[in-house]
Amino acid sequence: DAKTTQPPSMDCAEGRAANLPCNHSTISGNEYVYWYRQIHSQGPQYIIHGLKNNETNEMASLIITEDRKSSTLILPHATLRDTAVYYCIVQYNNQGGKLIFGQGTELSVKP
Amino acid sequence: IAGITQAPTSQILAAGRRMTLRCTQDMRHNAMYWYRQDLGLGLRLIHYSNTAGTTGKGEVPDGYSVSRANTDDFPLTLASAVPSQTSVYFCASSDRHSGLAQPQHFGDGTRLSIL
Repeated sequence: DAKTTQPPSMDCAEGRAANLPCNHSTISGNEYVYWYRQIHSQGPQYIIHGLKNNETNEMASLIITEDRKSSTLILPHATLRDTAVYYCIVQYNNQGGKLIFGQGTELSVKP
Repeated sequence: IAGITQAPTSQILAAGRRMTLRCTQDMRHNAMYWYRQDLGLGLRLIHYSNTAGTTGKGEVPDGYSVSRANTDDFPLTLASAVPSQTSVYFCASSDRHSGLAQPQHFGDGTRLSIL
């Protein structure tokens, strides 16, 4: 699995967009980009994933660069409940493949 | 409520004792996983099962065993607990049949302290 690089921490003002970057320069053509988050003391929660196109769901948007070497997770209107550690993971689509979690980005949403 | 149930939520255990952490899912997912999470080390895969009747080793399998007798249950056993197994344990599951990328769904964890 490709490695990912994320900033260790970020702050965001409540109500503003939170843009969380991730570098995955060694990603291969059949690896997906996944984002999970972990709110303190809870299990990780799936947010969104994509292969090459940008994706949007009720939680977030995922922007993947054309060369696929980096991506950005966007929380359009961050709330205090979005304070969490956000993990960017690349995973081969081998039907239930194992996840390799890095250190993630600790996002603090401030009032 | 659909999802993954882990039990117990927390446990304090004497070293040398045997302990089984339970994990049950009602989503009919084929694949299930056990992770441990330690401060500064993130989540690490212990064992996994791609389908009922099969299991495999993850990154840190030593000291742990699993079984997958049916689709819903994936218990993790510590045969003789040691203090280094003090951790938070998460069970997860994912669907393997659809042929598309498979998000994993996690339980709320078991906090285990070995004294």
